Amino acid sequence: DAGITQSPRHKVTETGTPVTLRCHQTENHRYMYWYRQDPGHGLRLIHYSYGVKDTDKGEVSDGYSVSRSKTEDFLLTLESATSSQTSVYFCASATGLHEQFFGPGTRLTVL
Amino acid sequence: GENVEQHPSTLSVQEGDSAVIKCTYSDSASNYFPWYKQELGKRPQLIIDIRSNVGEKKDQRIAVTLNKTAKHFSLHITETQPEDSAVYFCAASIIQGAQKLVFGQGTRLTINP
Repeated sequence: DAGITQSPRHKVTETGTPVTLRCHQTENHRYMYWYRQDPGHGLRLIHYSYGVKDTDKGEVSDGYSVSRSKTEDFLLTLESATSSQTSVYFCASATGLHEQFFGPGTRLTVL
Repeated sequence: GENVEQHPSTLSVQEGDSAVIKCTYSDSASNYFPWYKQELGKRPQLIIDIRSNVGEKKDQRIAVTLNKTAKHFSLHITETQPEDSAVYFCAASIIQGAQKLVFGQGTRLTINP
């Protein structure tokens, strides 16, 4: 579990403010992912990265952007947070041939 | 794109009995099917996975079966214990490269003592 961390773990913000969530992994994994988890929807992929500066959209990418300037860090940004983005956000990392390992999650509340 | 349906959404079984959770997928190109367990307030953790070149895989009390023709796969837990209580998620993707996992909606499993 210590190989992948997220910060902050909890955040409350107001509608219209920008928010950045950070994911940090020490496994030197090539691939990193951002998911959101909402009741009744399981986990849904927001964006993923297949290398430094290489990212692509997932199934629910509207309203989110990402950046990966180093192998170990993957940032998720909500440019202007909305109440519909209240959720639990998980990042994950993987080698590409085996399982994805998840971070501890960030609970985001947008008021 | 891929779509994964998972049933049931909730499941309650007596301790010692077996539990079965079923998933169907839509994309015949999917060849990797992991199962994750998520305890309350914790991160999802892989408990077992199967690739499309095998039909069944076991790990102690847990087994997964895959029917490629019907596009469905199932998780079987035998001799259930209280610590098996959790939410279980199935997922599907292509194993090579970026695994864009598509998850089922989850099953909340409760083991009654």
